[in-house]
This record gives sequence, structure tokens and C-alpha cells, in this order.
Amino acid sequence: QKEVEQDPGPLSVPEGAIVSLNCTYSNSAFQYFMWYRQYSRKGPELLMYTYSSGNKEDGRFTAQVDKSSKYISLFIRDSQPSDSATYLCAMRGGSQGNLIFGKGTKLSVKP
Amino acid sequence: GAGVSQSPSNKVTEKGKDVELRCDPISGHTALYWYRQSLGQGLEFLIYFQGNSAPDKSGLPSDRFSAERTGGSVSTLTIQRTQQEDSAVYLCASSLQGGGSSPLHFGNGTRLTVT
Repeated sequence: QKEVEQDPGPLSVPEGAIVSLNCTYSNSAFQYFMWYRQYSRKGPELLMYTYSSGNKEDGRFTAQVDKSSKYISLFIRDSQPSDSATYLCAMRGGSQGNLIFGKGTKLSVKP
Repeated sequence: GAGVSQSPSNKVTEKGKDVELRCDPISGHTALYWYRQSLGQGLEFLIYFQGNSAPDKSGLPSDRFSAERTGGSVSTLTIQRTQQEDSAVYLCASSLQGGGSSPLHFGNGTRLTVT
């Protein structure tokens, strides 16, 4: 079992839809959880990060962490064509330096 | 302020040649990371620097790969005797400090093609 599992998609939604992106993980030591967005031929850019369990909201984006289920989610409200990108989840334990990444979910928002 | 800068942005090399990839992190960031991203694959961790030392080199795939960081700033990733399977995008990231809640900030990568 990989440490971080993420459905690669592709996921196609109409403009204005609510998008749900998810990752599961196996390492109970993970404490810090991040979501990155990557456009084609660009580096990943940080969208959200959360510590331990709970929710965090930033504009149209909400990140949720459920440590008991080892499951994290990113919700995008009122999705826009400019949200079309690959979304990567990433996480690390408290003493770790490197981030462990999921393989990414490719999202397409159709006008 | 400037983000993470990587050069070259593209590199085409012949099998067996050596290549050097450069990363200039965000000023003041003490931690620096190298990752590799192959088509259809996630980000594969290569090496992590805290200052000039590398406490975690566990991701380097073979002894053909090496990296150094000088002056707590610029880093160079060197691949010797390149193979076709080395073709990938090499991404560099930096963070204010290593580990914990400090997020990584990525450059746009060097796209390496080995022919």
C-alpha cells in the first residue's frame, strides 16, 4: 500500500459545480497536510495547509482533514475554468523534512 | 519578492553525458528540496538540505545522482552518465525552515530529456 493514495481522474465538471478532491493515507504519524495546484508546465503552487484534524476555509476553497479515517479533502465551490489544473495532496509527520505527495488529480472545468 | 528560480528550464542531452541543474531558492529560506516528476507519476522526493547539510538523501535513485548546496543558498543537482530513464521534470523547492508546518515553495522545474 502506498503511503498516499489519490485518484488521478481525470475529473470533468461544468462551470459553477462544487468539486471534491480526496486523498487517503496510511501513516498515522502525518500531522501536516497541504494541497497544491499545478498548471501545465509550471511548478506546484500552495493552495491550502492544515495541521491535524479539522476544516480550513479560504475563499472558494475548503480543506478538511479526518485523521481518524486517514482521509483528507479539498472542496472547490463555484468552480471556474481557471481552476482547471492538477491538484496534489501532500503531507508530512512532525519530524519529517520532506513532503510525501499523492499522484495528483487532473481537473477540467468546462465553461 | 522573487520565487524559486531554476535553470535551465529545458535541457536535452545525449545518453551517457553529465548534466547539472541549478536551483536558486527564496532568500532567507533555510531548507531546500529536490523532487522529480515523471509523466503520469507524482512527485518523487530526491534530497533535502537544511542549510548546507543534507540530513535526508534517501530519495537519490543511484550513485549517479548527487547534489550540493553552498552558502546556504544555491543548490546544484548533478546527474552523471545520464540514462533515458532519467528523463523527467526536476523540481526544486524551498521553505523557511525544514519540516513542521513550513510549506514548500516550488520553482517551475527543469525539463530533462535524455536521447
